Amino acid sequence: DSGVTQTPKHLITATGQRVTLRCSPRSGDLSVYWYQQSLDQGLQFLIQYYNGEERAKGNILERFSAQQFPDLHSELNLSSLELGDSALYFCASSVGGGPLHFGNGTRLTVT
Amino acid sequence: QQQVKQSPQSLIVQKGGIPIINCAYENTAFDYFPWYQQFPGKGPALLIAIRPDVSEKKEGRFTISFNKSAKQFSLHIMDSQPGDSATYFCAASRNYGGATNKLIFGTGTLLAVQP
Repeated sequence: DSGVTQTPKHLITATGQRVTLRCSPRSGDLSVYWYQQSLDQGLQFLIQYYNGEERAKGNILERFSAQQFPDLHSELNLSSLELGDSALYFCASSVGGGPLHFGNGTRLTVT
Repeated sequence: QQQVKQSPQSLIVQKGGIPIINCAYENTAFDYFPWYQQFPGKGPALLIAIRPDVSEKKEGRFTISFNKSAKQFSLHIMDSQPGDSATYFCAASRNYGGATNKLIFGTGTLLAVQP
């Protein structure tokens, strides 16, 4: 068990809808990273937050946004969902720029 | 632009064999090279990692070999077991220990260890 908690485990929704994915980092970790895993794109970095502030950004779509709250949990918001957004979304946490520890992901299915 | 190339895509070995998975990178600024193991339905789990100041690192049955001049690194699994059957990802990042550890992942290798 990595200590990173992601909810929900599964999410099924329709095109055009908006969903929120939640992540609780390991105790003591200040950094939260979001990754998208799909069959054709592999593991792609989306965005990183450090102690509430955005620290690094990857290929995150404008329809996607994230934030990290004072208690250090993070949420990834996906809006105007398309079929191609169906994927596994992983959260990882670390102590600053150290090793990343991943949660077990949220499987999003857009129908 | 894919910055970390991983091969092979899949690999089948017999129990006790030594599977080898290879990765090549392009960005010479990378200074941290981890390997992750992922089982179905689970997130990637950190297996072992290496910095470019050493050429080899061993942890239990897992060994990373690193060739800085060739910009390549590989994972060897000694005495492989059926329980090692999983997908393995290499990754790389720059400025390890700094403000961010944004990992760039390879495409993964599906390993099957037959009993």
